[in-house]
Amino acid sequence: DAGVIQSPRHEVTEMGQEVTLRCKPISGHNSLFWYRQTMMRGLELLIYFNNNVPIDDSGMPEDRFSAKMPNASFSTLKIQPSEPRDSAVYFCASSLKGGRGEQYFGPGTRLTVT
Amino acid sequence: QQPVQSPQAVILREGEDAVINCSSSKALYSVHWYRQKHGEAPVFLMILLKGGEQKGHEKISASFNEKKQQSSLYLTASQLSYSGTYFCGTDFGNEKLTFGTGTRLTIIP
Repeated sequence: DAGVIQSPRHEVTEMGQEVTLRCKPISGHNSLFWYRQTMMRGLELLIYFNNNVPIDDSGMPEDRFSAKMPNASFSTLKIQPSEPRDSAVYFCASSLKGGRGEQYFGPGTRLTVT
Repeated sequence: QQPVQSPQAVILREGEDAVINCSSSKALYSVHWYRQKHGEAPVFLMILLKGGEQKGHEKISASFNEKKQQSSLYLTASQLSYSGTYFCGTDFGNEKLTFGTGTRLTIIP
């Protein structure tokens, strides 16, 4: 069975441009998480969904960030406009048991904003 | 609220043992442990629920002291494949994981 799929794997963009990151969770998993990892701040939870509904988005840094989950097999994280400080590795993870269960991480998207 | 891990880094020879600690300033519902190799995604190791249970996974085990709000990860007879950064993730009862600062483990032959 395929694991969590993320695309693109690498993204380089200029400041001010819109960036869309994509995630396909493991089939059957009902929870999806978006994380950001940087050297300075470590691994931070941005938002998580249960059954396609956003449960907690308190980790979203500011209004430039938005996330959607239109169905059980697809989610997007959008940054508009992007800034150099958004440069990080963004991980998507899915779980069968919400935040209490084992989370399976995707390979991540390395975002560089110049 | 971010849990504190210690040590920050450790270097071991193959076959030696290591202990990684995770301390929280808030009461914990559960503690999750993950390992991340360089350039890869974090991989789940185990979950410990409040109640002071201890779990094991081959030569990797962990304990959770609810009263002290601490968890420890024990790696015995370390192997080269154990190298990586270990993270504890703490659940304060809201089903969100707050990850610790990480412990970089290097195993040398």
